[in-house]
Amino acid sequence: NAGVMQNPRHLVRRRGQEARLRCSPMKGHSHVYWYRQLPEEGLKFMVYLQKENIIDESGMPKERFSAEFPKEGPSILRIQQVVRGDSAAYFCASSPDSRTEAFFGQGTRLTVV
Amino acid sequence: EDQVTQSPEALRLQEGESSSLNCSYTVSGLRGLFWYRQDPGKGPEFLFTLYSAGEEKEKERLKATLTKKESFLHITAPKPEDSATYLCAVQGSDYKLSFGAGTTVTVRA
Repeated sequence: NAGVMQNPRHLVRRRGQEARLRCSPMKGHSHVYWYRQLPEEGLKFMVYLQKENIIDESGMPKERFSAEFPKEGPSILRIQQVVRGDSAAYFCASSPDSRTEAFFGQGTRLTVV
Repeated sequence: EDQVTQSPEALRLQEGESSSLNCSYTVSGLRGLFWYRQDPGKGPEFLFTLYSAGEEKEKERLKATLTKKESFLHITAPKPEDSATYLCAVQGSDYKLSFGAGTTVTVRA
């Protein structure tokens, strides 16, 4: 059973470009969480999704950021018009339901130049 | 808002020197407390889930315990491969995980 797969592992974007981060959850997992980790800081919650639904997006900036988890295919975290402050590691986690432990991917490291 | 505070921030141990990490929390309706290990450049690796006060879980040299206000991660006779950042997280009634800043453990041979 493959783990949570995130791609790309590293992404470099110029200021103003768009970044699309992909997350394929573990088989049988329908709950996906996105987190952001800045250097020397803890993991910060961004958004919680189930298939085709956003359950909680309270941690996501209201502008430029969006997330989706379609019926088919991976979950996507999209950042429009990136700025230097968006540079961080973005982690995706999945779980089979809302109560059991979530398993994390290896992250996407976004660098904005 | 759920809050998680981990101490100490960093811990340097000699191989074989046992110690404990602390995780204090405030949460609305605790659904679970989770411990993860994170190595540099990697994603968090799940270690334990604790659901109620008094519960204990063990895995190799690690043992996690839970009270109503805090959790401890005990490392018994650590080895250099136990060097990592250990993260504590709580899940409250809103289902999302709130993480502490972590404790970075360095074990010297």
